[in-house]
Amino acid sequence: NAGVMQNPRHLVRRRGQEARLRCSPMKGHSHVYWYRQLPEEGLKFMVYLQKENIIDESGMPKERFSAEFPKEGPSILRIQQVVRGDSAAYFCASSPLWTGAGTDTQYFGPGTRLTVL
Amino acid sequence: AQSVSQHNHHVILSEAASLELGCNYSYGGTVNLFWYVQYPGQHLQLLLKYFSGDPLVKGIKGFEAEFIKSKFSFNLRKPSVQWSDTAEYFCAVNADSGAGSYQLTFGKGTKLSVIP
Repeated sequence: NAGVMQNPRHLVRRRGQEARLRCSPMKGHSHVYWYRQLPEEGLKFMVYLQKENIIDESGMPKERFSAEFPKEGPSILRIQQVVRGDSAAYFCASSPLWTGAGTDTQYFGPGTRLTVL
Repeated sequence: AQSVSQHNHHVILSEAASLELGCNYSYGGTVNLFWYVQYPGQHLQLLLKYFSGDPLVKGIKGFEAEFIKSKFSFNLRKPSVQWSDTAEYFCAVNADSGAGSYQLTFGKGTKLSVIP
């Protein structure tokens, strides 16, 4: 029973390049969440997506960051023109459904560690 | 807004010692509480969760946590740690219901090192 998959596990980019982070949810899960962990900080919510829909992107920086979860394929977190401050661990989580209560457990992937040189 | 504080950044214990990791949260409403663990090189795994009912929650691998509402605390405990418990532990909270309740708020994490 494969868990949440993320790739790559480590990504190095130079300033100004683009970073693409992929997340495949657990089988049967249709809800995806992205979190970012800056050095010495806790994970912070970025965005919540369902298939082909962005439900809540209130935690996303206003510029350069975008996310999608297409009908087919993994969810993608895209960071354009990366800067050193984007260096962080990016975690993806999935859940089977969201009932409107906070009791739906989120299952996390191993994270992608982005380093911007 | 919610916030979570984990008191210890790094804890070092010998095998068989007892463990207690502190977690306090700040939120005005009803919350759900979680402890996640991340073993080296692996993903975050759910250790245990509290939604309602008995405030003493038992999780996997012998861990337990106690929700004390009056203290806004959800401390993690284990009576006797093993070397394999070496990991980073994260406390998290979300609102029980309403818009945005899926958003987990995490503490900064506590690194536990167990010495054989």
